[in-house]
Amino acid sequence: NAGVTQTPKFRVLKTGQSMTLLCAQDMNHEYMYWYRQDPGMGLRLIHYSVGEGTTAKGEVPDGYNVSRLKKQNFLLGLESAAPSQTSVYFCASSYQSGVAYNEQFFGPGTRLTVL
Amino acid sequence: RKEVEQDPGPFNVPEGATVAFNCTYSNSASQSFFWYRQDCRKEPKLLMSVYSSGNEDGRFTAQLNRASQYISLLIRDSKLSDSATYLCVVNGEPSNTGKLIFGQGTTLQVKP
Repeated sequence: NAGVTQTPKFRVLKTGQSMTLLCAQDMNHEYMYWYRQDPGMGLRLIHYSVGEGTTAKGEVPDGYNVSRLKKQNFLLGLESAAPSQTSVYFCASSYQSGVAYNEQFFGPGTRLTVL
Repeated sequence: RKEVEQDPGPFNVPEGATVAFNCTYSNSASQSFFWYRQDCRKEPKLLMSVYSSGNEDGRFTAQLNRASQYISLLIRDSKLSDSATYLCVVNGEPSNTGKLIFGQGTTLQVKP
């Protein structure tokens, strides 16, 4: 099993450009998450999904959109990139088991620079 | 106040030392607690869950103090390979989302 994979690994954008980050998991997990990690800020939740066709806002959703058309994929879109969106983006997934909180498995990250 | 607070460090210790990290959380209703490890320029990975009675995994011991809303991680006999950032993690709400809240991490550097 590949686990959680992310595409691309690195990207440089100019202000105003758009792009989509792809996250894929082969563990049949229900829950998927997008985080950004900045120095001194820790991991912050952007958007998440509790199942195919559903998405919800996290802590820092502004400037991002997401879609979960297939259970195994979770896409993060930047419509008009800004320098403040320079960050490392991590995707994660976890399985659902009632009220228990389960381990989140992370992808290797995407390093995005917006000039 | 941040929901999960950690001393960012860095903690610089010699090989073989014992080192302890602490973490506080703000939501008294929190019910699930974890320590994750993140190597430089890598993704976070689960190190261990933290149980109410405390738990041990080899050289690593985790403790929870619900009254003080305090979590700790003790590493004994530090190895060079323990050098990493350790993230304190607490469950988010609501429970049917699996959301986790991550502290900013404590950096450990073990030196020869």
